[in-house]
Amino acid sequence: DTGVSQDPRHKITKRGQNVTFRCDPISEHNRLYWYRQTLGQGPEFLTYFQNEAQLEKSRLLSDRFSAERPKGSFSTLEIQRTEQGDSAMYLCASSLRIVDRGPYEQYFGPGTRLTVT
Amino acid sequence: AQKVTQAQTEISVVEKEDVTLDCVYETRDTTYYLFWYKQPPSGELVFLIRRNSFDEQNEISGRYSWNFQKSTSSFNFTITASQVVDSAVYFCALSEVYGNKLVFGAGTILRVKS
Repeated sequence: DTGVSQDPRHKITKRGQNVTFRCDPISEHNRLYWYRQTLGQGPEFLTYFQNEAQLEKSRLLSDRFSAERPKGSFSTLEIQRTEQGDSAMYLCASSLRIVDRGPYEQYFGPGTRLTVT
Repeated sequence: AQKVTQAQTEISVVEKEDVTLDCVYETRDTTYYLFWYKQPPSGELVFLIRRNSFDEQNEISGRYSWNFQKSTSSFNFTITASQVVDSAVYFCALSEVYGNKLVFGAGTILRVKS
């Protein structure tokens, strides 16, 4: 049984560079989420997909951030022109959503820790 | 807007003590879901429980129990006979029915000393 996986686990980049993270959800899950967590805080929602459709984006998600989920399987989160304020743990989660049923629990991956120098 | 408050930043107990982690939430929705997650030092969030707003029955799972009180908008979590392995950050979270994004509290750091 494989859970949610994320790659890379750690990324150090210089300010102004672009970075891309990948998330592979649990295979039968149709929903995929991205969150950001900074030290001492709870995760903050960034965006989510149902299958390949991106259904909601947080106001936290500036236009430097873009996420995709081609074919409704894995997802990528790209940050362009990184800033020091982007340093955080980026968490991916997946869940199952069945019409007319309440939200199922989200299962989280280990996260990608981004450090912008 | 939805909001979750975990007023206890950090709690330290000695092994075998009982400990309660508080969670207070705000929402305008009449139907919503509440969750607890554990984040051990390894960093990966672990799902503990999901509760919908229509089910106010308390739940017990081993040493864990949850007390949901709609009247006070609280969803508290009690660990009985705490163990060192319970040391972690615990997050309470709230979800609306259809969007399903989680709104997290700031978390409570639990330290269990032997």
